[in-house]
Amino acid sequence: SAVISQKPSRDICQRGTSLTIQCQVDSQVTMMFWYRQQPGQSLTLIATANQGSEATYESGFVIDKFPISRPNLTFSTLTVSNMSPEDSSIYLCSVEDLRDTQYFGPGTRLTVL
Amino acid sequence: GENVEQHPSTLSVQEGDSAVIKCTYSDSASNYFPWYKQELGKRPQLIIDIRSNVGEKKDQRIAVTLNKTAKHFSLHITETQPEDSAVYFCAASKRGGDDKIIFGKGTRLHILP
Repeated sequence: SAVISQKPSRDICQRGTSLTIQCQVDSQVTMMFWYRQQPGQSLTLIATANQGSEATYESGFVIDKFPISRPNLTFSTLTVSNMSPEDSSIYLCSVEDLRDTQYFGPGTRLTVL
Repeated sequence: GENVEQHPSTLSVQEGDSAVIKCTYSDSASNYFPWYKQELGKRPQLIIDIRSNVGEKKDQRIAVTLNKTAKHFSLHITETQPEDSAVYFCAASKRGGDDKIIFGKGTRLHILP
């Protein structure tokens, strides 16, 4: 299976600031996704990170708040902009391998004060 | 869009007994149904998946069944062990379509000694 790393693993940020989360995969993958998981909750899809084009956002998520980059087939970033305490959550990237199996990164635990 | 319902939200079973978690989906175009296990503080891990051209799949103590007509699928864990305690998520996806995975709300499984 693909080996996925995320940076940072956790962070504590002040409201109004922005944080960029990086996701790196050890092999080229076609599909990359970003999810949010609030404490004790399920995983909510934020967007599909498309290589070479704008990300596809799910209902309730917008590019101005969660800009995403995907410069190549092994790397993506998610920025959480103008943060508020409601953005405190775990953010996970996931990738789909050649067998259509989806794997998750270790997650980034974000706390906004 | 796709909607995945999962029941029960919490399940307690005696060690050695069987556990069953049930899910329904709304989009008849969904054709891939993975199950993920998430232990506390860890990333979701794929434990088994089933595609729409198969009615049942088994892997040791874990089995998944799919009823396409009724849009139901279920996870069965036999001879439960303490290490089976975790949160289990069912999910649905359209492989060959947008490929995004939509998750159920999760089932917290407790294995009682």
